[in-house]
Amino acid sequence: EAQVTQNPRYLITVTGKKLTVTCSQNMNHEYMSWYRQDPGLGLRQIYYSMNVEVTDKGDVPEGYKVSRKEKRNFPLILESPSPNQTSLYFCASSFRADRNEQYFGPGTRLTVT
Amino acid sequence: DAKTTQPPSMDCAEGRAANLPCNHSTISGNEYVYWYRQIHSQGPQYIIHGLKNNETNEMASLIITEDRKSSTLILPHATLRDTAVYYCIVTRYTGNQFYFGTGTSLTVIP
Repeated sequence: EAQVTQNPRYLITVTGKKLTVTCSQNMNHEYMSWYRQDPGLGLRQIYYSMNVEVTDKGDVPEGYKVSRKEKRNFPLILESPSPNQTSLYFCASSFRADRNEQYFGPGTRLTVT
Repeated sequence: DAKTTQPPSMDCAEGRAANLPCNHSTISGNEYVYWYRQIHSQGPQYIIHGLKNNETNEMASLIITEDRKSSTLILPHATLRDTAVYYCIVTRYTGNQFYFGTGTSLTVIP
């Protein structure tokens, strides 16, 4: 089944404790992206990747890192999480950067205390 | 990329057509109009997209005005499962950054 998976789905952590949210897609997509969703602010793009080893900042990249060493995986890293990073996170992928029919993962709900 | 304006909420009776408007007055010639929806807190789902011509697929129809400054997403026979937030997004076909707004919350009423 074609899908985007994220792990973990739910995470509660403390300020400053490094964490990684994994994202994987099995559709051989070139383009991958991370979003966060907060009440009243809609979905905002954090980082995106046009292909392996090619990443760029979205609207709200501060406090996040990404890497794209393999085509299928695009992990989101929070080196020192803070409470303002409490949010619902979505990973997405599409066939190419110019194919904006994106497939979204189920989301990761992160709480930083 | 051009920004969009959508009404924050709409209601629609079950079985009737739901018409969701979107204004994108600053759209440029190489920008497409995309529609996604998000049911509760699930990941957004692609619905349809278009450039100039009207488009139809198994989920919906997209009507784009001749001047391309606005568009309407039509769900021909709304069901309770169509209750969701609908996002209108304008982006270059070779775009990278993808701007979701706050969308329109559609409630389908029995």
